[in-house]
Amino acid sequence: DAEITQSPRHKITETGRQVTLACHQTWNHNNMFWYRQDLGHGLRLIHYSYGVHDTNKGEVSDGYSVSRSNTEDLPLTLESAASSQTSVYFCASSPGDFGTQYFGPGTRLTVL
Amino acid sequence: GIQVEQSPPDLILQEGANSTLRCNFSDSVNNLQWFHQNPWGQLINLFYIPSGTKQNGRLSATTVATERYSLLYISSSQTTDSGVYFCAVEWGKGGGADGLTFGKGTHLIIQP
Repeated sequence: DAEITQSPRHKITETGRQVTLACHQTWNHNNMFWYRQDLGHGLRLIHYSYGVHDTNKGEVSDGYSVSRSNTEDLPLTLESAASSQTSVYFCASSPGDFGTQYFGPGTRLTVL
Repeated sequence: GIQVEQSPPDLILQEGANSTLRCNFSDSVNNLQWFHQNPWGQLINLFYIPSGTKQNGRLSATTVATERYSLLYISSSQTTDSGVYFCAVEWGKGGGADGLTFGKGTHLIIQP
């Protein structure tokens, strides 16, 4: 079955370190998204991509970057992790404009 | 940006009861989805419903796009229905997909 996976599922890192969270989907969807979920804020959009080599900033993009070198993957990089980036991160994909978005299982990141 | 408001924020019901969850949004949208986040944190798609009415078992949803609201109905509640229910919309003002904006959710507890 086609699916969307995230790795690692849990990670603890230190302030200032670079961290990369992986997202892989096997649906061949063009659109991919990264969200973070925090108590009191719900889910908020970080970055998104319409296809290979395309990336766009979302509501809370500062301190994060993404790159899209193929259809299946959209890794999220924290260039210099900060305690404020402790959160649960969700990746999602959709087949086209305004289609149903399907979410991965999430990655819980703790920055100490 | 677009605003999404959900009500009620919290709801406690006895098993077997029916409930209605509401989602109001501040502008016209191209996508509206309802999700259930289970106690393990997984986001489960319930409905893709930018307009009209859909039913899936004990759950149904109605979106009245012209009046900018959506309703999620849960009938004959079961303890497994407990969790947080999110409404999320995609604005698409730029002409293409631009990610979902989430409401803060309704926390539903079903007591046996």
